[in-house]
Amino acid sequence: DGGITQSPKYLFRKEGQNVTLSCEQNLNHDAMYWYRQDPGQGLRLIYYSQIVNDFQKGDIAEGYSVSREKKESFPLTVTSAQKNPTAFYLCASSFTGTTEAFFGQGTRLTVV
Amino acid sequence: KQEVTQIPAALSVPEGENLVLNCSFTDSAIYNLQWFRQDPGKGLTSLLLIQSSQREQTSGRLNASLDKSSGRSTLYIAASQPGDSATYLCAVFNTGGFKTIFGAGTRLFVKA
Repeated sequence: DGGITQSPKYLFRKEGQNVTLSCEQNLNHDAMYWYRQDPGQGLRLIYYSQIVNDFQKGDIAEGYSVSREKKESFPLTVTSAQKNPTAFYLCASSFTGTTEAFFGQGTRLTVV
Repeated sequence: KQEVTQIPAALSVPEGENLVLNCSFTDSAIYNLQWFRQDPGKGLTSLLLIQSSQREQTSGRLNASLDKSSGRSTLYIAASQPGDSATYLCAVFNTGGFKTIFGAGTRLFVKA
């Protein structure tokens, strides 16, 4: 089955700890994105990548980092510098930035 | 700066009713507009994508229209069913920038 897989579904982070969220797609899409969703708000863009080995900051990149070493994979690291990381994180991909976007099932991150 | 607004924030209707969800945007320089469905705790499912040159798109009981000049899109759901209960989000992709702007969504509840 083609699609986008995010893991884990739930993630708990201790204060001062870095955690990495996985996003893998087998749709042969060039563009990949990470969004953050908070209750009652629209999605906010964290980072995006149009091609392998290249990525750009979105609106709320502070405290996050990404890599794009393979076309299929776009992991997101939530660093200790992100002071309010508790949220629902969504990964998406598309052929280009202007074509239909497809989303994974999300990772819920909670700080404990 | 592009802003996307969805009104109402929540809507409750009896089963079988036809309904319209609204999406407005402030900058008409968009490349496309996409409607999504999100079930609680899940990722986004793409429903319809309308290119800026198009006026509407249809898929089954769903019909989405786009009026770029007035900055509006509507999602029409015919003969609503309890399974349609979800949050519906619209998103616009701006020209001149690699960014999709999301509305906060309309939470729909269809009563059996």
